[in-house]
Amino acid sequence: EIVMTQSPATLSVSPGERVTLSCRASQSVGIDLAWYQQKPGQAPRLLIHGSSTRATGIPTRFSGGGSGTEFTLTISSLQSEDFAVYYCQQYNNWPPLTFGGGTKVEIK
Amino acid sequence: EVHLADSGGGLVQPGGSLRLSCVASGFNFGDYVMHWVRQAPGKGLEWVASINWNSQTVIYADSVRGRFTVSRDNAKNSLYLQLDSLRPDDTGMYYCGKGFQWLLDHWGQGTLVTVSS
Repeated sequence: EIVMTQSPATLSVSPGERVTLSCRASQSVGIDLAWYQQKPGQAPRLLIHGSSTRATGIPTRFSGGGSGTEFTLTISSLQSEDFAVYYCQQYNNWPPLTFGGGTKVEIK
Repeated sequence: EVHLADSGGGLVQPGGSLRLSCVASGFNFGDYVMHWVRQAPGKGLEWVASINWNSQTVIYADSVRGRFTVSRDNAKNSLYLQLDSLRPDDTGMYYCGKGFQWLLDHWGQGTLVTVSS
């Protein structure tokens, strides 16, 4: 099973700041890496797939990168609606599909 | 517009059963892999099961294999998850998801399963 590790667990930031979240895989997943955003009381929403391709309707301030075992999600200028929990997921080697533990982006 | 409506959750005693449903609209349901993912209260996401378009390939997480059964009815645009021999650690929100490659590009709103005596 591929283990996905996200860091940090919590990030305290101010609106307008640039934020970078990290996700590490226990073995190479190529670029088969997705990012999701989950707001309180809501279902997750797909942001990024293929490591760096934005899903339909996702603002350009969200960008993803990386390959192999190291990945990042960057929000170029944090908006109020971006405060949420972010999860990475690998879909290269499964079952099982595996998610990271999440990074909570909170208001500083 | 893609829409997934989860239902069927509730309070059940340990050892009991539930059947979750997910009704899809806004896309050709029969063309897509479908998934179930769950989330324990205050915790992260856990993949539960997946089923391909014609039900020939069905895959389960180790934690639910032998207790849960995923199925689909393409004529009714519906996905199901039969939960048997439920345990307290099965408690959580259950989401159905439309598959894109092997990720979930659309999610239902979730249905809450609580296993408690």
